[in-house]
Amino acid sequence: NAGVTQTPKFQVLKTGQSMTLQCAQDMNHEYMSWYRQDPGMGLRLIHYSVGAGITDQGEVPNGYNVSRSTTEDFPLRLLSAAPSQTSVYFCASSYYPLAGGLPDTQYFGPGTRLTVL
Amino acid sequence: AQSVTQPDIHITVSEGASLELRCNYSYGATPYLFWYVQSPGQGLQLLLKYFSGDTLVQGIKGFEAEFKRSQSSFNLRKPSVHWSDAAEYFCAAVAGGTSYGKLTFGQGTILTVHP
Repeated sequence: NAGVTQTPKFQVLKTGQSMTLQCAQDMNHEYMSWYRQDPGMGLRLIHYSVGAGITDQGEVPNGYNVSRSTTEDFPLRLLSAAPSQTSVYFCASSYYPLAGGLPDTQYFGPGTRLTVL
Repeated sequence: AQSVTQPDIHITVSEGASLELRCNYSYGATPYLFWYVQSPGQGLQLLLKYFSGDTLVQGIKGFEAEFKRSQSSFNLRKPSVHWSDAAEYFCAAVAGGTSYGKLTFGQGTILTVHP
């Protein structure tokens, strides 16, 4: 298994440009999510999905769109990049809650480092 | 609001010394708790997790953590640190119910290990 993969690893954008960060997992996980990591702030949840066709907002969703057309893929779209979106982006996936509602371990991708000039 | 706090931004220890990284949480009810490690340029790897039961939890790489309800804490420990433990460590929590996937992370603690 490749686990959770993310592309690209690095990206530089100009303000106003759009792009899509790709995330794929081959573990048949229902749950997928996007986090951004900023120095001194830990990771913050952007969007998440509990299955194909179902997405919802996390803590910091503004400026980002997501869709989930397949179980494997969960792309993150920046429609009009801003310098405030300079960050490292992580995708994660897991199974649905275990028996009794216990959360499953989330597996993280290697990250995409995005710079917006 | 729910939150996770790691009071120490940066900790330096000598190789072979013991280690304790602090984590405090603020939730209405006891959340599920996790410790992750991030090596430079890498993603996050789960070290251990606490759901319920025994308050001392064993993880990978020789790490353990102790849950203390009275102190709302979940501190990570290791008896003898190796140079390869140098990394950033994140404490995280998730509430029960439908929040099961929404991890809230602490700010992270950077560990430096001196030879």
